[in-house]
Amino acid sequence: SYVLTQPPSVSVAPGQTARVTCGGNNIGNKRVHWYQQRPGQAPVLVVYDDSDRPSGIPERFSGSNSGNTATLTISRVEAGDEADYSCQVWDRSSGHWVFGGGTKLTVL
Amino acid sequence: EVQLVESGGTLVQPGGSLRLSCTASGFTFSSYEMTWVRQAPGKGLEWISFISMNSITIYYADSVKGRFTISRDNAKNSLYLEMNSLRAEDTAIYYCATLSCTNGVCYDSFDSWGQGTLVTVSS
Repeated sequence: SYVLTQPPSVSVAPGQTARVTCGGNNIGNKRVHWYQQRPGQAPVLVVYDDSDRPSGIPERFSGSNSGNTATLTISRVEAGDEADYSCQVWDRSSGHWVFGGGTKLTVL
Repeated sequence: EVQLVESGGTLVQPGGSLRLSCTASGFTFSSYEMTWVRQAPGKGLEWISFISMNSITIYYADSVKGRFTISRDNAKNSLYLEMNSLRAEDTAIYYCATLSCTNGVCYDSFDSWGQGTLVTVSS
């Protein structure tokens, strides 16, 4: 089955740029989606189809995907961005959706 | 406003059964594909099942295939998850979610989520 690999944690100072990576075999050939999950809350879609943002998501959130790595970039990080971020793809070969293990973003 | 409300989670013994429900409002439920995702305590998200608008296409994760059954009743705006032969490792918060659709174009991301219902499998 398809596997997505994320770093367990990323730390960044307020106002700086955070980058959360998601690795997978030829993930550049898949459409990657990103979710933000604050403690005790349901996930929220922040980026879909590699780089599109749902309505209401700030432009500070962006995504890219190429080769074996997809990246969620959060610019001008704020304290409220502290959360777990998970990547997701649909694996056409199995008809299954796959999540990465999640990355905890800490704002220093 | 899109709203999804899960219910049915409780403490159940290993080997037991449970039926979760997800009641939808604020959108045309019958026009959306639906999914269940779970999250074990302190762990990441795990997709477990998908159902198409007309219930013709259904998928399960290997971890639940043969034990869980997804279904929906479009007349009642409801999604269900029948869970049998429950194991300790099924302990998790169970979320229902909609597949994303915007301006008639649908994607394989999940854009509306309920708040989840907790299932605890323990003796």
